[in-house]
Amino acid sequence: NAGVTQTPKFQVLKTGQSMTLQCAQDMNHNSMYWYRQDPGMGLRLIYYSASEGTTDKGEVPNGYNVSRLNKREFSLRLESAAPSQTSVYFCASLGVGGVEKLFFGSGTQLSVL
Amino acid sequence: GESVGLHLPTLSVQEGDNSIINCAYSNSASDYFIWYKQESGKGPQFIIDIRSNMDKRQGQRVTVLLNKTVKHLSLQIAATQPGDSAVYFCAENKPGRGTGRRALTFGSGTRLQVQP
Repeated sequence: NAGVTQTPKFQVLKTGQSMTLQCAQDMNHNSMYWYRQDPGMGLRLIYYSASEGTTDKGEVPNGYNVSRLNKREFSLRLESAAPSQTSVYFCASLGVGGVEKLFFGSGTQLSVL
Repeated sequence: GESVGLHLPTLSVQEGDNSIINCAYSNSASDYFIWYKQESGKGPQFIIDIRSNMDKRQGQRVTVLLNKTVKHLSLQIAATQPGDSAVYFCAENKPGRGTGRRALTFGSGTRLQVQP
């Protein structure tokens, strides 16, 4: 049982390049999230998907797009990377019912030069 | 490597002592709070949570206290161990639009260093 798996773990891009961060969870969770984490700041929500087939903007969605491919997978795309998008990105999923806990992946460290 | 930057407040304690990590939250309407632990190079992990209708909740070696009057949350770790060294985040759930939204707002974190 792997939980939440993110790929890649590290990536370096040049300004203007595009890339997709992949996320998959094997816990049969409905809701999935993308956060970014910057020095001295807490995690900020980029986009989330409350259920398969739906996506919604979070706190900092500009410059990103997402796709909820199926119940397991939720990808984050940078169409034209900018240095301001240098960050650590975390994917998370949330179970239904009971106590609300987010399960996080191990993160993707992205540098945009 | 480190996923959190260099400007976090830091709490340094001796092994075996009790630790208290504090957090001020922003929204008086928040109804649910969670503490997360983040070790170097890893994603945050759930520690303990508390709903706004409670003022104290205990887990294994950890206690969370909630003071809604001053919008303050604290995490107490008993008999701190070297494995407790990490960054600790509080998070609040602000009631959002509709019924499907469950998006937490995170604090900036406190680094706990346990000296052997």
